[in-house]
Amino acid sequence: DTAVSQTPKYLVTQMGNDKSIKCEQNLGHDTMYWYKQDSKKFLKIMFSYNNKELIINETVPNRFSPKSPDKAHLNLHINSLELGDSAVYFCASSYYDRATGELFFGEGSRLTVL
Amino acid sequence: DAKTTQPNSMESNEEEPVHLPCNHSTISGTDYIHWYRQLPSQGPEYVIHGLTSNVNNRMASLAIAEDRKSSTLILHRATLRDAAVYYCILRDENTNAGKSTFGDGTTLTVKP
Repeated sequence: DTAVSQTPKYLVTQMGNDKSIKCEQNLGHDTMYWYKQDSKKFLKIMFSYNNKELIINETVPNRFSPKSPDKAHLNLHINSLELGDSAVYFCASSYYDRATGELFFGEGSRLTVL
Repeated sequence: DAKTTQPNSMESNEEEPVHLPCNHSTISGTDYIHWYRQLPSQGPEYVIHGLTSNVNNRMASLAIAEDRKSSTLILHRATLRDAAVYYCILRDENTNAGKSTFGDGTTLTVKP
């Protein structure tokens, strides 16, 4: 069974479109995250939800809107896509344990904006 | 989060030990040292973490300098499957588990 699963794995779309990426975890974790990895391989946190509440919101354009219907799901909706949004987006989950909390990542969703 | 510095790339031969260094000269007393690795076309996976003492698990060993300003991830016998980007990150004990930026990392190439 896949611990953290994301769909779709690949997404190719035109500028200006709206798209969503879904994430589900079956590990019983209470905290979920979205990370963005750009072409230079930097992996940067975007959002974090703990028990459906937003706890981390880094400097991300408000075109990006996360939604957590329950603690096992965290979806990412992106409005008015721009070329610079092209990246691999990773979902992750963990227990809300601070410095020792192990992160479990999904396989990533590669978004290409044309 | 305090910054870490790693070499961009390293090479190893299969079945030989690999020592991956990480410098973190601005580490604070409450920072844990974590290592993750990212295999090609996959998400990062946890490898090991430690605070002050050396740590061993089934994947690797972590050697932490006495002054904690550097650490070394040790793969005892590299396999082709260990070829990945290895990230060393610091996480303050008061910081949410995911609020860490992964730096450049070290790309490890394993030669048969």
